[in-house]
Amino acid sequence: ETVMTQSPATLSVSPGDRVTLSCRASQSVNSNLAWYQQKPGQPPRLLIYGASTRATGIPARFSGSGSGTGFTLTISSLQSEDFAIYYCQQYNYWPSLTFGGGTRVEIK
Amino acid sequence: QLQLVQSGAEVKKPGASVKISCKAFGYTFTTYYIHWVRQAPGQGLEWMMMINPGGGSTTYAQNFQGRVTLTRDTSRSTVYMDLSSLRFEDTAVYFCARALPGTSAFDVWGQGTLVTVSS
Repeated sequence: ETVMTQSPATLSVSPGDRVTLSCRASQSVNSNLAWYQQKPGQPPRLLIYGASTRATGIPARFSGSGSGTGFTLTISSLQSEDFAIYYCQQYNYWPSLTFGGGTRVEIK
Repeated sequence: QLQLVQSGAEVKKPGASVKISCKAFGYTFTTYYIHWVRQAPGQGLEWMMMINPGGGSTTYAQNFQGRVTLTRDTSRSTVYMDLSSLRFEDTAVYFCARALPGTSAFDVWGQGTLVTVSS
């Protein structure tokens, strides 16, 4: 199984900050990496797929980068609605899709 | 409107079975794979299985093989997930999700169904 490790577990930030979240894979997943945002009581929302392609309707302040084993999700200027938990997911190894443990972005 | 609508919350006893439905609206049902992901209370996301609604083929995560069955009814644009031999640790919110073509990135999610296993 490909283990996805996200860091940090929690990030305390202020609105307007630039935020960088990390996701590391235990083996190369090429660019088969997605990022999701989840708010309490809601399903996850797809932000990025293919490591760097924004999903439909996702604001440009969200960007993804990386390939192989190291990936980054960047929020260029954090808005109040961006406080949530963020998950990465690899879909390179079939049928063993795996998610990271999540990074909680909270208000400082 | 593009959406997946799941059946309502369930409370089951250990050893029982639960069947959850996921109905698709707003797109061609047979064109997109449907996956299931679960989330235990306060925990992360766990991929469980998928179905190709067009041909009916299924793939299950090793953790669930032998205990779960996925079926679909194309006339109703609905996928059914049947999980048997329920354990306390199966208490979770179960989500169905649609995969983007050519990927297993999930662009449309159901609202989730809470399954509580309690004696």
